[in-house]
Amino acid sequence: DIQMTQSPSTLSASVRDRVTITCRASQSISSWLAWYQQKPGKAPKILIYKASSLESGVPSRFSGSGSGTEFTLTISSLQPDDFATYYCQQYNSYPYTFGQGTKLEIK
Amino acid sequence: EVQLVESGGGLIQPGGSLRLSCAASGVSVSSNYMNWVRQAPGKGLEWVSVIYSGGTTYYADSVKGRFTISRDNSKNTLYLQMNTLRAEDTAVYYCARQRVGATSGGYDYWGQGTLVTVSS
Repeated sequence: DIQMTQSPSTLSASVRDRVTITCRASQSISSWLAWYQQKPGKAPKILIYKASSLESGVPSRFSGSGSGTEFTLTISSLQPDDFATYYCQQYNSYPYTFGQGTKLEIK
Repeated sequence: EVQLVESGGGLIQPGGSLRLSCAASGVSVSSNYMNWVRQAPGKGLEWVSVIYSGGTTYYADSVKGRFTISRDNSKNTLYLQMNTLRAEDTAVYYCARQRVGATSGGYDYWGQGTLVTVSS
């Protein structure tokens, strides 16, 4: 199975900060990676697919990059609505594994 | 508008069985790759199973041999039959549509989830 490791596990930041979350795969997954945002009690919402493609309707302050084994999700200017938990997921091969999550907290 | 509505969760004793349903509208379960993903309380997301449009199925090792994914095309509904349930199966179970294609991917539609609690 492909292991996905996110860092950091928790991130404290302020509104208008630029933040970056990293996701590393235990083997190459090409660009088969998605990022999700999840708020308490809600289903995840897709933000990025194929490593760097922005989902329709998602604000342009979200961006993704990377390929192979190392990926990043960047939020260019944090807004109050962005405080949530973020997950990466590889869909290169089954089982489609998720990272353990990064909780983005208000500083 | 696409809607996925899960049902069938509840409290069940260890060793028991439960069938979850995911009623779809605005999207055809028979024409899509449909998944179950679960989330234990306070934990991260775990992929459980997928059924392809052609009927091929895959399972996480943790549920293989105990869970069965299926669909009823006439009802446009996805199912997850869960047998021999264990305490570690306690989670919110989501159904999700998987996009496929060389320029696509990921799960774009999710249900609201249904809670399964396995406890005596």
